[in-house]
Amino acid sequence: SQQGEEDPQALSIQEGENATMNCSYKTSINNLQWYRQNSGRGLVHLILIRSNEREKHSGRLRVTLDTSKKSSSLLITASRAADTASYFCATVNSGGSNYKLTFGKGTLLTVNP
Amino acid sequence: NAGVTQTPKFQVLKTGQSMTLQCAQDMNHNSMYWYRQDPGMGLRLIYYSASEGTTDKGEVPNGYNVSRLNKREFSLRLESAAPSQTSVYFCASRLTGRDTEAFFGQGTRLTVV
Repeated sequence: SQQGEEDPQALSIQEGENATMNCSYKTSINNLQWYRQNSGRGLVHLILIRSNEREKHSGRLRVTLDTSKKSSSLLITASRAADTASYFCATVNSGGSNYKLTFGKGTLLTVNP
Repeated sequence: NAGVTQTPKFQVLKTGQSMTLQCAQDMNHNSMYWYRQDPGMGLRLIYYSASEGTTDKGEVPNGYNVSRLNKREFSLRLESAAPSQTSVYFCASRLTGRDTEAFFGQGTRLTVV
């Protein structure tokens, strides 16, 4: 089964508003990553947060990680129409293999101009 | 720098036909991955390869075989295509290590009729 589960499945907001997406996972992780996908194209890496980190920022992105709850959130501030895309969380599991990278089902974000 | 290159971009197969999806990366990455993406299912890991000469099953390996030909190339073969294998296939690569991001190809859209 897939490691990550994003919530909500779809989110529609107005330009300028903030968008928050959540991700829950099942097993212990080394890190959690967020990716973006524009309409059927390949995924692009946005940000990585290590298991010993609680919060990380990159531009308009803010990621939090709560390992006790096995959950993460991605906040996009001051959203733009160009942020319209699908967003996926992915995890690298701990305990042996650092190679396996598994994804969730994604959140479709629509930013209306 | 081409990154991750997948061929072909589109393919239509008849049930029972075979084909190989090609993937090559020029970033000297050790790990390579094959995912399939279906509506509402996110990305599901088919197979991955931690290094040249090694391959491991992911979440949905049935009906597929892979070959890690060398460090650059990782191919995915469908021996006898089924309509259930209609999907978009993505190849990705990543430096081996705990906290590294994956780079994706642009995808192969496969239809099995």
